Amino acid sequence: QVQLVQSGAEVKKPGASVKVSCKASGYTFTSYGISWVRQAPGQGLEWMGWISAYNGNTNYAQKLQGRVTMTTDTSTSTAYMELRSLRSDDTAVYYCAREAVYGVYYFDYWGQGTLVTVSS
Amino acid sequence: SYELTQPPSVSVSPGQTARITCSGDALPKQYAYWYQQKPGQAPVLVIYKDSERPSGIPERFSGSSSGTTVTLTISGVQAEDEADYYCQSADSSGTVVFGGGTKLTVL
Repeated sequence: QVQLVQSGAEVKKPGASVKVSCKASGYTFTSYGISWVRQAPGQGLEWMGWISAYNGNTNYAQKLQGRVTMTTDTSTSTAYMELRSLRSDDTAVYYCAREAVYGVYYFDYWGQGTLVTVSS
Repeated sequence: SYELTQPPSVSVSPGQTARITCSGDALPKQYAYWYQQKPGQAPVLVIYKDSERPSGIPERFSGSSSGTTVTLTISGVQAEDEADYYCQSADSSGTVVFGGGTKLTVL
């Protein structure tokens, strides 16, 4: 069965960087893209961007351009999201999500979420 | 930037029908998708391409589209349907947008 397993919770200081991983199993990793979605405490869902596991192409939300980098390692079927210059309003649960159809942005499987806390 | 607008909350009694709307200017040209999220859990896809239901989602969940508004309908609401519901779409450049979410309360 399809599974996306994310790395554990992180606590970071303002200005630092965080890198969250998302290990996929149960399907052909390179046949789908992965999006990252975050959710601040008590708030709604915010799409951060997308990466093709096939060729590494990316599409980032304009708001995060320059601070976020998404990568994949096809040898381990793992996607990564790195966010730099962290601020307190980056505190959120970060989810990876598999697109249901390659290149069509809706999501049929989600990771369990990774809480990133930014605090001095 | 493209926005999707949902009511913050909807309340219904068990067995009644809940309707959650989502409005956006691009919805006549772009599909909408709906997710259910319960506290402490990841979202779950309940409707795709406006009105299609993924396997494993109960038949009481349905979706429809009319102009700039899409609607998620839950017929015969059960206590387990209490959750936050989010609509989602994408604009022509591939930017994904979520609605602000609707909290469904089962009285």
